[in-house]
Amino acid sequence: DQQVKQNSPSLSVQEGRISILNCDYTNSMFDYFLWYKKYPAEGPTFLISISSIKDKNEDGRFTVFLNKSAKHLSLHIVPSQPGDSAVYFCAASASSGGSNYKLTFGKGTLLTVNP
Amino acid sequence: GAVVSQHPSRVICKSGTSVKIECRSLDFQATTMFWYRQFPKQSLMLMATSNEGSKATYEQGVEKDKFLINHASLTLSTLTVTSAHPEDSSFYICSATGQGTAGNTIYFGEGSWLTVV
Repeated sequence: DQQVKQNSPSLSVQEGRISILNCDYTNSMFDYFLWYKKYPAEGPTFLISISSIKDKNEDGRFTVFLNKSAKHLSLHIVPSQPGDSAVYFCAASASSGGSNYKLTFGKGTLLTVNP
Repeated sequence: GAVVSQHPSRVICKSGTSVKIECRSLDFQATTMFWYRQFPKQSLMLMATSNEGSKATYEQGVEKDKFLINHASLTLSTLTVTSAHPEDSSFYICSATGQGTAGNTIYFGEGSWLTVV
């Protein structure tokens, strides 16, 4: 059973427009969420995170929104740039039980930003 | 930000041999390190969690005698794939967190491609 789901395997947007990447989760114990960007044959790079006590976190062109009631989060990138083209992973962790750093990943969404 | 380095980035080994992958935190003390593997077009799958100075905790279905993890210091963890088989060929990634990292942020290494022939 996949606890973190990224239902869109790929997304294509035009340069300058907004990219919206979605993520759903099923485990109500998750209280910390992260987004990572990954290029082929490289390790993931941390982008942005959000705690469950917030519903929005912004860092430059990246904004993450969290809707706890819907168990849904999204990453907005605006404006999108060709260099943003990569696979984006949503990850979640639960801070209870002493395993607050154990991450559960979605399968990723391949974002392609066209010039 | 914090830096985690993996070595080697690519390794080819013969079936039946063992291969070691190193994961180092370069500018912080990694109290906890994680090892993942990723198959093509699949998500990162957590293999084990290791805390410095203690035995690793393996995820269900991961053979601890096959994937030996050592976290002997606050800056180094190693993953040894013993008696490697072609099906062990995969992309292995470590991550780390601890003192000197911001909040719950976990930083990843660059990954290591293992090909068993």
